[in-house]
Amino acid sequence: DGGITQSPKYLFRKEGQNVTLSCEQNLNHDAMYWYRQDPGQGLRLIYYSQIVNDFQKGDIAEGYSVSREKKESFPLTVTSAQKNPTAFYLCASSPGAASGRREETQYFGPGTRLLVL
Amino acid sequence: EDQVTQSPEALRLQEGESSSLNCSYTVSGLRGLFWYRQDPGKGPEFLFTLYSAGEEKEKERLKATLTKKESFLHITAPKPEDSATYLCAVQASGTYKYIFGTGTRLKVLA
Repeated sequence: DGGITQSPKYLFRKEGQNVTLSCEQNLNHDAMYWYRQDPGQGLRLIYYSQIVNDFQKGDIAEGYSVSREKKESFPLTVTSAQKNPTAFYLCASSPGAASGRREETQYFGPGTRLLVL
Repeated sequence: EDQVTQSPEALRLQEGESSSLNCSYTVSGLRGLFWYRQDPGKGPEFLFTLYSAGEEKEKERLKATLTKKESFLHITAPKPEDSATYLCAVQASGTYKYIFGTGTRLKVLA
């Protein structure tokens, strides 16, 4: 089955700790995205990547970092600089500009809920 | 500024009572409009993509339509299992970012 996997489902962070959320896709998509979802708010973009070894900041990148060393993987690190990390984190992918396809539908993973101890 | 507004915020329907959800958007050229369903604690599930005004798509009890300023998600004879939050998103021309509305929480009562 093609899809997006995220792990872990729940993650607990202690004060001053960096934590990394995993995102893997086997859809052969070029573009990958990280969103944060808080109650009553729309999805807010943290980082996105259109191609391997390249990524751009989204609207709320402060306190987060990413890497894109492989097409299939786009891990997100929540650093100690992010003072309010409690949220539901969603990873998504789409075919992307490099595919040359018109289809730009984003598909989402199951999410990771991050809680602060 | 590119923007997406969904209404109503919440909607309660009796089983079988048809209704529509609205997604109004302001973008500088529409690349695509997307509808998703999201259940509590889960990732959004893709429903439809619409590209141009006049386009319509259907799936079971759901039908999505698009005009130059808004999209509607029509739900015909809903069932309790249709209860979820429905999200709308747009992608503007010349960008690879997606802008999401805050969603409509739908509750269908048996």
